[in-house]
Amino acid sequence: DVKVTQSSRYLVKRTGEKVFLECVQDMDHENMFWYRQDPGLGLRLIYFSYDVKMKEKGDIPEGYSVSREKKERFSLILESASTNQTSMYLCASSPTGTVKETQYFGPGTRLLVL
Amino acid sequence: AQSVTQLDSHVSVSEGTPVLLRCNYSSSYSPSLFWYVQHPNKGLQLLLKYTSAATLVKGINGFEAEFKKSETSFHLTKPSAHMSDAAEYFCVVSTTRAAGNKLTFGGGTRVLVKP
Repeated sequence: DVKVTQSSRYLVKRTGEKVFLECVQDMDHENMFWYRQDPGLGLRLIYFSYDVKMKEKGDIPEGYSVSREKKERFSLILESASTNQTSMYLCASSPTGTVKETQYFGPGTRLLVL
Repeated sequence: AQSVTQLDSHVSVSEGTPVLLRCNYSSSYSPSLFWYVQHPNKGLQLLLKYTSAATLVKGINGFEAEFKKSETSFHLTKPSAHMSDAAEYFCVVSTTRAAGNKLTFGGGTRVLVKP
């Protein structure tokens, strides 16, 4: 079974803090993704990576950056957290990124920014 | 550009009765379509996917969906709801990008199952 793990289930941070969310997958997948989930909006893509050190912006990249130094790990960084970044963050991975491919999701990190 | 509309934000059914979750999509190309389920405090799990083979797709836990190109729909059904089906369901369209597939999610349908 594919396993995608996220470092924290719940986080509470203060406005202006730098926040790191970590994601690890154990199936040697090429592609990794970060989404945020908000009620009524479904999931929206923040960034994705198709190879080590390679990244591409998604639909809502503003206020976020990412890092992929190793194939199995993909980090989402909030440079200066703001209250409008309070949300559920979900990481996903897929083998090669073809259109028919399933993405496998982690359990999510619920972030509260005060 | 592609988009997905889930026509009901909430659906309430009684245990043992049929479930219907409605989804319409728009896509410039022949899409791949997915239904994912999210149980409380859990990640998303794939229920089923359509990838241009049979238009009637069977998934896990007794769910199935029918791809209707003329109606641009991909509705999810189950003949008999179980209490464990209480969850949020997402209809998703996948299109290819220069690098990696892109998923576009509907807003979700939350299912309540009454005893």
